[in-house]
Amino acid sequence: KQEVTQIPAALSVPEGENLVLNCSFTDSAIYNLQWFRQDPGKGLTSLLLIQSSQREQTSGRLNASLDKSSGRSTLYIAASQPGDSATYLCAVRGNYGQNFVFGPGTRLSVLP
Amino acid sequence: EPEVTQTPSHQVTQMGQEVILRCVPISNHLYFYWYRQILGQKVEFLVSFYNNEISEKSEIFDDQFSVERPDGSNFTLKIRSTKLEDSAMYFCASSERRLYEQYFGPGTRLTVT
Repeated sequence: KQEVTQIPAALSVPEGENLVLNCSFTDSAIYNLQWFRQDPGKGLTSLLLIQSSQREQTSGRLNASLDKSSGRSTLYIAASQPGDSATYLCAVRGNYGQNFVFGPGTRLSVLP
Repeated sequence: EPEVTQTPSHQVTQMGQEVILRCVPISNHLYFYWYRQILGQKVEFLVSFYNNEISEKSEIFDDQFSVERPDGSNFTLKIRSTKLEDSAMYFCASSERRLYEQYFGPGTRLTVT
């Protein structure tokens, strides 16, 4: 059974810092991995989808990398801003399933 | 930009009552999903739906749950006899194709008293 963990559980940084969020999964037989952002009491906003054949994906200040064999993905946020404050979730989809298995999230606070 | 919408945003119901949560997926999407998130816990998959039938479901999705696409735009989740432990945020999602990026709605907060 796939298990997804995220480290750290919470992170507080000053504005302008570059930061890395980590996601680990136990079963490397994945089809793809998606990073989401969740604001308090709100839905999930898709940030990046990275296929198992890809090493990384970029969107603006965000860069997601994937090392399938070691069961890890990282989300790099460059030049963080207070508006980046949210919970970041990673979700992994197995080779034969349609559903995602979610991690518990990293709660990010960017201080002005 | 197209988005998934959900109604109501908050539903309060008494234990044992039936509730229907509604979703309007993105119009050209073919795959639809329900997830839930109990307060303070992980987002959990409930069910996926394609071509008017369930394609995958989790062990959470037992006989008290059902899904339906009653017309060309709505996708509903029915909980037949609600329990206290059904209190959660319920998210609808859709994707254009199987295994493609999923887009989530804002959620319906269900409170069972």
